[in-house]
Amino acid sequence: NAGVTQTPKFQVLKTGQSMTLQCAQDMNHEYMSWYRQDPGMGLRLIHYSVGAGITDQGEVPNGYNVSRSTTEDFPLRLLSAAPSQTSVYFCASSYSRTILTDTQYFGPGTRLTVL
Amino acid sequence: AQSVTQLGSHVSVSEGALVLLRCNYSSSVPPYLFWYVQYPNQGLQLLLKYTSAATLVKGINGFEAEFKKSETSFHLTKPSAHMSDAAEYFCAVSLAGGTSYGKLTFGQGTILTVHP
Repeated sequence: NAGVTQTPKFQVLKTGQSMTLQCAQDMNHEYMSWYRQDPGMGLRLIHYSVGAGITDQGEVPNGYNVSRSTTEDFPLRLLSAAPSQTSVYFCASSYSRTILTDTQYFGPGTRLTVL
Repeated sequence: AQSVTQLGSHVSVSEGALVLLRCNYSSSVPPYLFWYVQYPNQGLQLLLKYTSAATLVKGINGFEAEFKKSETSFHLTKPSAHMSDAAEYFCAVSLAGGTSYGKLTFGQGTILTVHP
């Protein structure tokens, strides 16, 4: 298993540009999520999905869109990049839909800079 | 709403010394608690988790944590620090959301430095 993979590893955008961060997992996990990590703030949940075709907002969803057309893929779209979206983005997945006690597996992260 | 507070954004210990990383949670219902570790330029890796079985939880790399309901705490300890333990550690709490699906809330992280 490759686990959770994310592309790209690094990205620099100009304000107003759009882009998609890719996330894929090959573990047949139901639950997938996106977090952003900022210094001193831990990880904050952006969006999550409990299965194909089902997505919901997390703590900081503004400026981001997601879709889940397949079990394996959960892309994160930045509609119009802003400097405030400069961050490290992590995708995670877990087997259970409820994740109450389930372990989340994290990807290696995408470091995004918006100029 | 649940929350997690990690006391101390930086902790520094000598190699061989006790490691103690503090985590307190706020929750109106019994929580499920996790400790994750993040090594430089990597994703998060699960160290251990409390899921309402034993209150003393043993994890990987010699770490353990004790759930204390009366203190609303879930502190992470290791008897003897190794240089390889230098990393950032995150405490997290999982509770059912409004749709009954769980959501993971993280603390702000504690950077552990180990001196020779």
